[in-house]
Amino acid sequence: AQTVTQSQPEMSVQEAETVTLSCTYDTSESDYYLFWYKQPPSRQMILVIRQEAYKQQNATENRFSVNFQKAAKSFSLKISDSQLGDAAMYFCAYRSASDRGSSGDKLTFGTGTRLAVRP
Amino acid sequence: NAGVTQTPKFRILKIGQSMTLQCTQDMNHNYMYWYRQDPGMGLKLIYYSVGAGITDKGEVPNGYNVSRSTTEDFPLRLELAAPSQTSVYFCASSYPVSNQPQHFGDGTRLSIL
Repeated sequence: AQTVTQSQPEMSVQEAETVTLSCTYDTSESDYYLFWYKQPPSRQMILVIRQEAYKQQNATENRFSVNFQKAAKSFSLKISDSQLGDAAMYFCAYRSASDRGSSGDKLTFGTGTRLAVRP
Repeated sequence: NAGVTQTPKFRILKIGQSMTLQCTQDMNHNYMYWYRQDPGMGLKLIYYSVGAGITDKGEVPNGYNVSRSTTEDFPLRLELAAPSQTSVYFCASSYPVSNQPQHFGDGTRLSIL
């Protein structure tokens, strides 16, 4: 079974600065997907960014980018020019790319990192 | 564009009561999921479905049941509510296309007293 570990329960960043959230995972599979979800106080689960394991290029979405290190099984999220609206829980999630027909696209989540943004 | 709709948003139950959490999606997604989120924790999969008439257990299925009679609806039933089932419940759906993300509902906060 796959596991996802987020070792930073809480992080804090000054507005306009850059912060990196860590995520490591354990899997024996070679083909999979990784996601970062944001959960603000409203409780919604909002997709921030996704990465396909077969792609060497790191995904970017505006101020959000990832550092994907497949050999190290590491998938960190970098938030540049932090804004007050970035304050939220951030969850890293893993999804297998194999045996999808019968097993669906189940996500395995980490325990989350709570990000505070200081004005 | 409603997406994934969960009802109710909040509910308080007494121990031993039963209830059904409703989930419906209007995106014609084949795959649907139920997760629970305990305080300070990530989401854990309760049940999932890859299509109408097909359901399967996830990581924490005990105490729950599901059915999938239509593509749109995926209700979650608690038969005998227990305090350990106090949690926030999320329904999600997705296309069976490899890189497509799951779309989540806004969650149901359930307290068992």
